[in-house]
Amino acid sequence: AQSVTQLDSHVSVSEGTPVLLRCNYSSSYSPSLFWYVQHPNKGLQLLLKYTSAATLVKGINGFEAEFKKSETSFHLTKPSAHMSDAAEYFCVVRSYQAGTALIFGKGTTLSVSS
Amino acid sequence: DVKVTQSSRYLVKRTGEKVFLECVQDMDHENMFWYRQDPGLGLRLIYFSYDVKMKEKGDIPEGYSVSREKKERFSLILESASTNQTSMYLCASRSGIDYGYTFGSGTRLTVV
Repeated sequence: AQSVTQLDSHVSVSEGTPVLLRCNYSSSYSPSLFWYVQHPNKGLQLLLKYTSAATLVKGINGFEAEFKKSETSFHLTKPSAHMSDAAEYFCVVRSYQAGTALIFGKGTTLSVSS
Repeated sequence: DVKVTQSSRYLVKRTGEKVFLECVQDMDHENMFWYRQDPGLGLRLIYFSYDVKMKEKGDIPEGYSVSREKKERFSLILESASTNQTSMYLCASRSGIDYGYTFGSGTRLTVV
């Protein structure tokens, strides 16, 4: 079965400093991995996805993630945080069972201070 | 753009009531899913459907059932609502071709 573990429930950064949100995955097969963001009282928005092409995936709003098979990780990074990045972030793996449903991590809340 | 529409944004129901949450998608997607979202738990899969009249249990199906009589509509049913079913419910659909997923905006259900 596939699963993801987000290693931090809450991350706080200052505006202009780098962002690192950590995610480890477990999968018996070559995984498809995603990062979604949810701003307060808003819907889910896809940031980026990895589907076995390039291991470094670029997403929207300056975010990127690197797939590392040897470490079973898919960490999300951004060089310089902006106040508007404050939101909840979900690391997600696609299930190979369950109708290929998405399996979500528990989420990481990113706070950005000025 | 694909749209997934959930009929109610906010809903308040009484304990023991039968509750219907409706989800409609407009792009002929085969696969549809119901999740609930709770703080600190992320999104958890309740039920999914890969075709009309086909349904499968997800990770937390207890207390819920679903109906898919038409391809575009996937209903979540709380047979007898309880306070521990107070949550945000999200519907999603997926194309069988390009694996793009689309989420609805959610229904926040409060059971009192």
